[in-house]
Parts: sequence; structure tokens; C-alpha cells
Amino acid sequence: KNQVEQSPQSLIILEGKNCTLQCNYTVSPFSNLRWYKQDTGRGPVSLTIMTFSENTKSNGRYTATLDADTKQSSLHITASQLSDSASYICVVSAYSNTGKLIFGQGTTLQVKP
Amino acid sequence: DGGITQSPKYLFRKEGQNVTLSCEQNLNHDAMYWYRQDPGQGLRLIYYSQIVNDFQKGDIAEGYSVSREKKESFPLTVTSAQKNPTAFYLCATSRTGGGTEAFFGQGTRLTVV
Repeated sequence: KNQVEQSPQSLIILEGKNCTLQCNYTVSPFSNLRWYKQDTGRGPVSLTIMTFSENTKSNGRYTATLDADTKQSSLHITASQLSDSASYICVVSAYSNTGKLIFGQGTTLQVKP
Repeated sequence: DGGITQSPKYLFRKEGQNVTLSCEQNLNHDAMYWYRQDPGQGLRLIYYSQIVNDFQKGDIAEGYSVSREKKESFPLTVTSAQKNPTAFYLCATSRTGGGTEAFFGQGTRLTVV
């Protein structure tokens, strides 16, 4: 069964600190993996997209890694800001003509001053 | 400006009523999706459409209906048969159905009163 699991479920950190969010998946055949940021009451916005051959991709203070062998991804946030408070969703796509995406349940991050 | 427009942002429904959520896009994307989001859970696919006049059931289609008469529009009707409709509903689009990036609207929060 195709599944995406994220950890931790929630996380509280102080402003300026770094943090790492985890995503494990069992999706086959793998096409790509995306990290989205979702502010409360808003739609998700894409942060990074990674294909099978990519190990690391950065977007400002966000760095995503992908280990296709162990089927794990991480999202590292550097020098956190209050505006980073949001849910972070890992989404995996399998090769198919339906475009079906498999969503993780998200990690809720709260950055405190 | 380009994007995905969902309306209304907030919607209240009396028990036994049908309500329709609007999703309009001017991105010229072929594929459109409807997701439901509940607290602590990942997004779940309700319906998707890859082309005009064609749509497919997702994982939780019962109690919902859709139409795709125009490329730009993919309205979702929540019928009285949906027993627990209170949720956050997200519309998304992508260029094709083959695992390309999904873009999300800002969501509609539906509450049964």
C-alpha cells in the first residue's frame, strides 16, 4: 500500500534555531517527492520538488534531502523565523497517468520568539 | 492575475442541504482535483479530472459529486448523503496527470450547522 509517514507530528522551536522534519514513504514506482508549506487556513505552497536522481535541493533557508534507497526524505529549516510557523506536508507521486498524489499527515511547526 | 480561485472561503450548511463549492483556474491546466483535509490527517482525494467532460472518483467520493463542463471550472457539490461534511476543502490543478506539480487554491471551510 502506498503510504507517506511524517515525523514528528508537531514541533516547537525557538526563533533562530534549526530543525529537521522527516518523511518516510512506501510508494512505488516512485516519481517525485515534494515538500509543501501550509499556513493555517490557506492552501499548500510548494517548497521543493525532488526526483529519483536528486539527493539535495535548497530553497532559501529550506533544504530537502532524498535517499531513494531507504525511501526517506528530510526538510531542514535553518535559522527559523516566526513566519515559518505552519504545517509542512510531504507529498509523493507514483508513476501513473492519473497524477495521484500521496500525502503525509503533515508536521505542525511552531516557532516561538 | 493567474491562479486558482476557490469560493466561498467560508460556507455554512444546514443538515440535509446540498452545497456547491466553486473552483476556477486560469492556468490552462488540464488536470483538476478536489481534496478534503481534516485536522491531524493528510489530504484525501475526493474526485479528479484530467480532461473536460471526464472525471474519476478518488478515495472518498461517497456523498460528493462533480462536473467538468469547462477546462477552467471544476465545481464540487457536497450532498446530503455526506454524513460528516465539516472540513477544509482544497482544489488543485496540474498541467497533466502524470506526477507534475500540483498548485492549490486557498481552500473553502465548510461547516454544518
